Amino acid sequence: GAGVSQTPSNKVTEKGKYVELRCDPISGHTALYWYRQSLGQGPEFLIYFQGTGAADDSGLPNDRFFAVRPEGSVSTLKIQRTERGDSAVYLCASRETSGILNTGELFFGEGSRLTVL
Amino acid sequence: GESVGLHLPTLSVQEGDNSIINCAYSNSASDYFIWYKQESGKGPQFIIDIRSNMDKRQGQRVTVLLNKTVKHLSLQIAATQPGDSAVYFCAERTAAGNKLTFGGGTRVLVKP
Repeated sequence: GAGVSQTPSNKVTEKGKYVELRCDPISGHTALYWYRQSLGQGPEFLIYFQGTGAADDSGLPNDRFFAVRPEGSVSTLKIQRTERGDSAVYLCASRETSGILNTGELFFGEGSRLTVL
Repeated sequence: GESVGLHLPTLSVQEGDNSIINCAYSNSASDYFIWYKQESGKGPQFIIDIRSNMDKRQGQRVTVLLNKTVKHLSLQIAATQPGDSAVYFCAERTAAGNKLTFGGGTRVLVKP
């Protein structure tokens, strides 16, 4: 696609439920990032994939959060036993990491707004 | 600027005037800096970037200034337009890392 695509755009769930958020990066981008943004705050890093592997998962807040990118393209962020404090916008971004297109810029999707009741 | 909970620092500017948004970054090892614009309900959108071996970089109506001595970054928007109303974030990256660390954001409101 032309840009980073995230689904769903909005997700309302109940405390304790399991949630999956999907990200489809820009075609050919090898690096994929997940960020979380709370109201009035800047995006907070969660995890970064280079290809299929998680190169840096230091931002995941606890073991309820997990992300995969099995074929090096689409990624899924998984949240188990959701809590009200997980409510936020989850942003996905991708980046080219080689050649002249490697500018450092992250291209962001529109985000998935998660509300935990 | 730094955000305090829900209360983003806000810059109100008259249409046609110049805007200056400031950002203090934290890591002296950061070698790459970037400004993003975020409109309500949308993802951050790239504005301009600068590497640490530069002090200034200009784009279309925007200029980024970098002062490494005091770890300060600024974004200047010339002839501010209503479409510039948004929240602006600075972000930094270290040479060893591959992730951007974002600051707290500044809201710009353009008055007609």
